[in-house]
Amino acid sequence: ETGVTQSPTHLIKTRGQQVTLRCSSQSGHNTVSWYQQALGQGPQFIFQYYREEENGRGNFPPRFSGLQFPNYSSELNVNALELDDSALYLCASSLDRDNYGYTFGSGTRLTVV
Amino acid sequence: DAKTTQPPSMDCAEGRAANLPCNHSTISGNEYVYWYRQIHSQGPQYIIHGLKNNETNEMASLIITEDRKSSTLILPHATLRDTAVYYCIVRVFYGGSQGNLIFGKGTKLSVKP
Repeated sequence: ETGVTQSPTHLIKTRGQQVTLRCSSQSGHNTVSWYQQALGQGPQFIFQYYREEENGRGNFPPRFSGLQFPNYSSELNVNALELDDSALYLCASSLDRDNYGYTFGSGTRLTVV
Repeated sequence: DAKTTQPPSMDCAEGRAANLPCNHSTISGNEYVYWYRQIHSQGPQYIIHGLKNNETNEMASLIITEDRKSSTLILPHATLRDTAVYYCIVRVFYGGSQGNLIFGKGTKLSVKP
């Protein structure tokens, strides 16, 4: 049973719109990472937040942004949605940046039409 | 890009051992081998990790060759619920890459009755 909760589970947006995805980490987990998983591919790292500051970013444009809050929740924001942004978005939390024990949520399935 | 190579798919009979290979010929001395799995419609789940010694936990065993260029994940008694995509990942445990995991396409394991 995962301790990471993501909402919503499914979402349909129109090209050009903006979207906010939410993640509630396990209590005490001060690190959260976001991943994008296209159909048939492995997850791709978007960015990581540690104690409310971004401390690592993958090869994603600036229209992908995030926030981490003191209550262990976090958000992924995507502006100017493109059709290729359609994917499963996964949130993963851990106790520290270098901890191997990442706990993933079940993801949000985003469809851009 | 992922630093690992895995077969795209494997079959295993229920109750038998499942042996999943992974090649990581360019692994660095301070990089660990991690295994995660992803059951359909769920986020990835951590299984096990190791540096150079063989490791065992309640889920699986990890065998790493002496030259560390390859490894094998062993599920000793596979069940239908072990059907999933298995990812082999190499990463630094401390101080590198801000903790992101680089996933390849993994191995789709199908456990059959």
